[in-house]
Amino acid sequence: KAGVTQTPRYLIKTRGQQVTLSCSPISGHRSVSWYQQTPGQGLQFLFEYFSETQRNKGNFPGRFSGRQFSNSRSEMNVSTLELGDSALYLCASFKGDRARDEQYFGPGTRLTVT
Amino acid sequence: GIQVEQSPPDLILQEGANSTLRCNFSDSVNNLQWFHQNPWGQLINLFYIPSGTKQNGRLSATTVATERYSLLYISSSQTTDSGVYFCAVERSSNTGKLIFGQGTTLQVKP
Repeated sequence: KAGVTQTPRYLIKTRGQQVTLSCSPISGHRSVSWYQQTPGQGLQFLFEYFSETQRNKGNFPGRFSGRQFSNSRSEMNVSTLELGDSALYLCASFKGDRARDEQYFGPGTRLTVT
Repeated sequence: GIQVEQSPPDLILQEGANSTLRCNFSDSVNNLQWFHQNPWGQLINLFYIPSGTKQNGRLSATTVATERYSLLYISSSQTTDSGVYFCAVERSSNTGKLIFGQGTTLQVKP
């Protein structure tokens, strides 16, 4: 069974640009959660999608957005990049159907904003 | 919101030693997971353990939900055990929102 995949793995962007990250969940999983990891703030929840709907959202500005497609793949977008957006972005998938809700993480996308 | 505290923040061991990592949480939880973050950043699932005790090889974990803590035991540690260990909890079912502790950084010396 294939694991969670994320693309791209590494990204360098300039302040003010926007970026789109992609996450493909484990087959059969309908939920995807996104997290940001920085040395100062640790791992923080961004948002979660289930069946193409955002169910939960963390405490991040509106520049951070996401969506989920009918095949459960998810994308997150960060607009008007700031230096502080440099981080490791991790996505996780789980079944989301009120069964065992163990989350499985992808390898992450490391974003550097210059 | 719920608080998750891990201790110790750093741990240095000689190969072969045993260790116990602790995770305290401030409210009842529906989900608790332990992860090991590898040098490339990926979070590797160790245990899904909202309550009870589980063992997997040299690793075992216990969660006492009524007392709001979980313990991760590593026996006969190896250099490959080095890295950061995270505890994460989910307050309610299917929110998809894991709250992470700050992690324990483990270094195992040969």
